[in-house]
Amino acid sequence: ETGVTQTPRHLVMGMTNKKSLKCEQHLGHNAMYWYKQSAKKPLELMFVYNFKEQTENNSVPSRFSPECPNSSHLFLHLHTLQPEDSALYLCASSQDGMSGNTEAFFGQGTRLTVV
Amino acid sequence: KNQVEQSPQSLIILEGKNCTLQCNYTVSPFSNLRWYKQDTGRGPVSLTIMTFSENTKSNRRYTATLDADTKQSSLHITASQLSDSASYICVVERKTGANNLFFGTGTRLTVIP
Repeated sequence: ETGVTQTPRHLVMGMTNKKSLKCEQHLGHNAMYWYKQSAKKPLELMFVYNFKEQTENNSVPSRFSPECPNSSHLFLHLHTLQPEDSALYLCASSQDGMSGNTEAFFGQGTRLTVV
Repeated sequence: KNQVEQSPQSLIILEGKNCTLQCNYTVSPFSNLRWYKQDTGRGPVSLTIMTFSENTKSNRRYTATLDADTKQSSLHITASQLSDSASYICVVERKTGANNLFFGTGTRLTVIP
């Protein structure tokens, strides 16, 4: 275990549904990330939070809405997704998201299928 | 443009054999390079980190090399085991700026008995 826990592990949702992904870390890290992993593509950074403040939004569609209530928890709220949004969504955390030697610790991911 | 390219895309080897995975990058300024192992359905886990001054580093049956001049790295796996079947992802960190991790697409390794 890496110390980063994601729930649920699997999620199937319709295009009109609203669901949320949850990520929790107890490593004392101050940066948390959402990544999208699609088949045969590198991990795509979606959102970054440093000290609970969002520092990056990589042109992610508004149907993905992140929330970071504290430095240990991160959510990704999903609304009216498209089938092409089906992917593995990975949460990660690191001690310092702004400087060198940033080892990212990943959760096990949520396998999302949009039908 | 900051990029990380890995080869081969996939690889199948017999148990007990050795293999080498490649990573080429254009990320600059370079801070470090990590190799991650990602088992199916799980998140990536760091295997090793290479900094600018390091040429070779071993971790059990894994040996990573780095040539900072040619911007190439390799991951050599010795005496492969079935449990080595996974995706191996090369991640290069840029020295400056936020959100400075650049990921390769990974090499899918399958070890067969």
